[in-house]
Amino acid sequence: NAGVTQTPKFQVLKTGQSMTLQCAQDMNHEYMSWYRQDPGMGLRLIHYSVGAGITDQGEVPNGYNVSRSTTEDFPLRLLSAAPSQTSVYFCASSYYGGETQYFGPGTRLLVL
Amino acid sequence: GQQVMQIPQYQHVQEGEDFTTYCNSSTTLSNIQWYKQRPGGHPVFLIQLVKSGEVKKQKRLTFQFGEAKKNSSLHITATQTTDVGTYFCASGGYQKVTFGTGTKLQVIP
Repeated sequence: NAGVTQTPKFQVLKTGQSMTLQCAQDMNHEYMSWYRQDPGMGLRLIHYSVGAGITDQGEVPNGYNVSRSTTEDFPLRLLSAAPSQTSVYFCASSYYGGETQYFGPGTRLLVL
Repeated sequence: GQQVMQIPQYQHVQEGEDFTTYCNSSTTLSNIQWYKQRPGGHPVFLIQLVKSGEVKKQKRLTFQFGEAKKNSSLHITATQTTDVGTYFCASGGYQKVTFGTGTKLQVIP
């Protein structure tokens, strides 16, 4: 099993550009989530999904969109990148959500 | 979602010294999880506690869940350089998992 994979590993964007961060898991987990990590802020939940076709907002959803068309994939879309979105983004998955979460390696995003 | 505060934010210890990080909540937690993130890496699950007063050990690591299920601690005995990293607590129910701000541990050889 590859576990949780994320692409790309690094990305530089200009303000106003859009992009999609990819996340996939091969563990048949129902629950998937996106976090952003900033210095001193810990991990903050952006969006999460409890199954295909079901998504909901987390703590910091503004500026991000998600969809969940399959159990395996949970992409995160930045519609119009802003410097405040410079961060490290982690995708995570688990069977139900309230227990062990498996994290991907992260995407480091710089918005100029 | 459930709010968890974690202290201290940073901790420097001499190799061989003990280390403790604390996680506190104003509300009763359904469970508590602990994760470790090595520098440049991603969070890795260590353990989950669910019962009031629960204590679990993993070699030199001791995890406790408070009697009121509002706090938890992670204690490392005789730290080693391999313990370097950031330790996070997390808690949540079915839908939202909230992470603490983390404690960054530096071990001086």
